[in-house]
Amino acid sequence: GAVVSQHPSWVICKSGTSVKIECRSLDFQATTMFWYRQFPKQSLMLMATSNEGSKATYEQGVEKDKFLINHASLTLSTLTVTSAHPEDSSFYICSVFILNTEAFFGQGTRLTVV
Amino acid sequence: GESVGLHLPTLSVQEGDNSIINCAYSNSASDYFIWYKQESGKGPQFIIDIRSNMDKRQGQRVTVLLNKTVKHLSLQIAATQPGDSAVYFCAENQAGTALIFGKGTTLSVSS
Repeated sequence: GAVVSQHPSWVICKSGTSVKIECRSLDFQATTMFWYRQFPKQSLMLMATSNEGSKATYEQGVEKDKFLINHASLTLSTLTVTSAHPEDSSFYICSVFILNTEAFFGQGTRLTVV
Repeated sequence: GESVGLHLPTLSVQEGDNSIINCAYSNSASDYFIWYKQESGKGPQFIIDIRSNMDKRQGQRVTVLLNKTVKHLSLQIAATQPGDSAVYFCAENQAGTALIFGKGTTLSVSS
């Protein structure tokens, strides 16, 4: 069964609105989760590291005020794309490690901003 | 560091052929390497992994080779099947840190 559940799997929103993506770890606690973004025909690029109970760590070039990450519990991290624009349209994927050894990925969220 | 792909290279093979997909990784301190398969619209699917204390690991129809001297990783798929058609990514990390993905290769298998 799935280890990581990501929701929604796809979303279409109007330009200027905000979209929240949820990443849940099932049956285990995840103090750290990772958020990736993937543009068409490109690789997965790490956006940020989500830390339970503390601020997320963002990669260079990723706007923390635009991509809000909240990791309020050991099983849930959320990524909110604020004031979305068409250039934010992408595939967003979360990932967690179990015992610092094996990585599991969510199903991904296809965001389309119109 | 991160690897940014502009356009994914493509490897085209015939069904039944062996496929070799290559990857150059960036961080000499990385000690864990993974190959993923990604189908359209889905998240990465684990194929095989290898740690830095090994140079070869075999799975079912797949073999991963690691050359730390030149920071090179390869994935060999034996008797490639149409169902193997997908994008393949290598990824690297150090314990507990985020996986950093390579550029990716599109594998196209024709019958």
